Amino acid sequence: SAVISQKPSRDICQRGTSLTIQCQVDSQVTMMFWYRQQPGQSLTLIATANQGSEATYESGFVIDKFPISRPNLTFSTLTVSNMSPEDSSIYLCSVDSTDTQYFGPGTRLTVL
Amino acid sequence: AQSVSQHNHHVILSEAASLELGCNYSYGGTVNLFWYVQYPGQHLQLLLKYFSGDPLVKGIKGFEAEFIKSKFSFNLRKPSVQWSDTAEYFCAVNARMDSSYKLIFGSGTRLLVRP
Repeated sequence: SAVISQKPSRDICQRGTSLTIQCQVDSQVTMMFWYRQQPGQSLTLIATANQGSEATYESGFVIDKFPISRPNLTFSTLTVSNMSPEDSSIYLCSVDSTDTQYFGPGTRLTVL
Repeated sequence: AQSVSQHNHHVILSEAASLELGCNYSYGGTVNLFWYVQYPGQHLQLLLKYFSGDPLVKGIKGFEAEFIKSKFSFNLRKPSVQWSDTAEYFCAVNARMDSSYKLIFGSGTRLLVRP
């Protein structure tokens, strides 16, 4: 399985600002995913990010709010833009390895 | 639309008790099935998975799960739980569509094991 790291591990932000979350993998992977886990809830897929193509967003998530970059096979970023308190969540990246997803440690975001 | 149901939201057991967590999914095509575990303060980890073959799969830490296709179920079991099994457990289904796939999670089950 891949080793995945995320930065920052947690942050407290003011409403109206933006935060970029980084996800680094120790091996080259084609498919990377970004999830949100709101307090006390399960994981919801935000988007799929494949290197060399535009990210594919799930219903309810838009590129203007959650722009994603995927510059190479080991790295991706998710930006949470114009934040509001409703964006307070844990944001996780995952990677696919032989049809199995492995998850990073998550970024705990609190928006005041 | 595809969905995953975990009927037990909170489970409290004493050590050495047997565990069974229910998971049902709705998807008519080929699926891969997973159980993930999230220990307190830790990240999501893969517990076990089923792709094909023997419907009874064994995972880490003594966990096993049985895929029953006719019931669209993938229940997680452990004969004797330990205090260290206290965690949140998520069932997930990988519904493959065209060249991509989507991992759909259940709502999770919080397990508390009392010493």
